[in-house]
Amino acid sequence: EAQVTQNPRYLITVTGKKLTVTCSQNMNHEYMSWYRQDPGLGLRQIYYSMNVEVTDKGDVPEGYKVSRKEKRNFPLILESPSPNQTSLYFCASSFGLAGAEQFFGPGTRLTVL
Amino acid sequence: AQKVTQAQTEISVVEKEDVTLDCVYETRDTTYYLFWYKQPPSGELVFLIRRNSFDEQNEISGRYSWNFQKSTSSFNFTITASQVVDSAVYFCALSGQDSGGGADGLTFGKGTHLIIQP
Repeated sequence: EAQVTQNPRYLITVTGKKLTVTCSQNMNHEYMSWYRQDPGLGLRQIYYSMNVEVTDKGDVPEGYKVSRKEKRNFPLILESPSPNQTSLYFCASSFGLAGAEQFFGPGTRLTVL
Repeated sequence: AQKVTQAQTEISVVEKEDVTLDCVYETRDTTYYLFWYKQPPSGELVFLIRRNSFDEQNEISGRYSWNFQKSTSSFNFTITASQVVDSAVYFCALSGQDSGGGADGLTFGKGTHLIIQP
């Protein structure tokens, strides 16, 4: 089954404790991205990657890191999480063509205390 | 910079009523793509439709229809004979085409929370 998976789905952590949210897709998509969803703000792009070893900042990259060592994986790293990073995070992937449908993962709800 | 405005934060209608969700966009790209996504209470994002900037034909899919008007930079979504299962948050989104013809990130509106009352 074609899908985007994220782990963990739920995470409660404390300020400053490094964490990684994994994202994996099995559709051989070139393009992957991370979004955060906050009430009243919609979804905002954090980082995206056009292909292996190619990443770029989205609209709200501060406090996040990403890597793309393999085509299928695109982990989101919070080196020192803070309470303002409490949010719902979505990973997405698509073929690298403009206008391609983006397939979203199920979301990861992160709470930073 | 791209921008998507969904002015309706929340809409509440009674089942079987028709409802239109508004979406207004801004972009400098001549080639761009518009999307609608549905987010039901379970939280996942469900793709509904994609439109490119060169195709202004309206589209109908069952009870759903979309009206794309470049003259007013709008891409409105109408649900006919609404049902309780249509209750969700609906997002309009925009993607431009980068200089290399590749994918650009999606710029989302803030969403419209649609409540269908039985």
